[in-house]
Amino acid sequence: EVQLLESGGGLVQPGGSLRLSCAASGFTFSAYAMSWVRQTPGKGLEWVTGISDSGGKTYYADSVKGRFTISRDNSKNSLYLQMNSLRVEDTALYYCAKDGSSSALDSWGQGTLVTVSS
Amino acid sequence: SYELTQPLSVSVALGQTASITCGGNQIGSKNVHWYQQKPGQAPVLVIYSDYNRPSGIPERFSGSNSGNTATLTISGAQAGDEADYYCQVWDSSTRRVFGGGTKLTVL
Repeated sequence: EVQLLESGGGLVQPGGSLRLSCAASGFTFSAYAMSWVRQTPGKGLEWVTGISDSGGKTYYADSVKGRFTISRDNSKNSLYLQMNSLRVEDTALYYCAKDGSSSALDSWGQGTLVTVSS
Repeated sequence: SYELTQPLSVSVALGQTASITCGGNQIGSKNVHWYQQKPGQAPVLVIYSDYNRPSGIPERFSGSNSGNTATLTISGAQAGDEADYYCQVWDSSTRRVFGGGTKLTVL
């Protein structure tokens, strides 16, 4: 059974930094691309960033480009999201998700909440 | 940037058929995926690549995609199908794009 467990969320002031982690199990982590998707409370889904299976390619939404960095450690079955220069509008529940067929996200974690507020 | 348009809400009588649309420029040329999200839960993939159902998804969920509209159809809607539904595509410029979501109410 695929399991994705996010951690690292919390309260941070505007301009601050936070690092999210996602521990993966139940599948061959190194064989799959991964993504982070966020959801503002009561709102829709927004894709944030993605990374290829090897980590050699990364993709970012314009809203986070230059501020967020996605990475992975295949030896630890872990995905990361380094978030710098955080803004109030980055407040959201952040989901880790596994890429499946044709860019579909076939497994999701339960999310970790990031609150940016002074 | 590529945009997907969904109705804010759709209502369906118990046991009837619900259709949720997802509009986008030439969306018929893209692979469309659909997610179900119940309150307080993570999204679940219910249809991938236009019409394919992942393992464990009931046959009453189906999908189609042509022209500028993709459609998620739920036949014989049940109370447990009440949820928010999101469509999603991959676009070469915008990367992964989600629609705004549709709240399905089962009456």
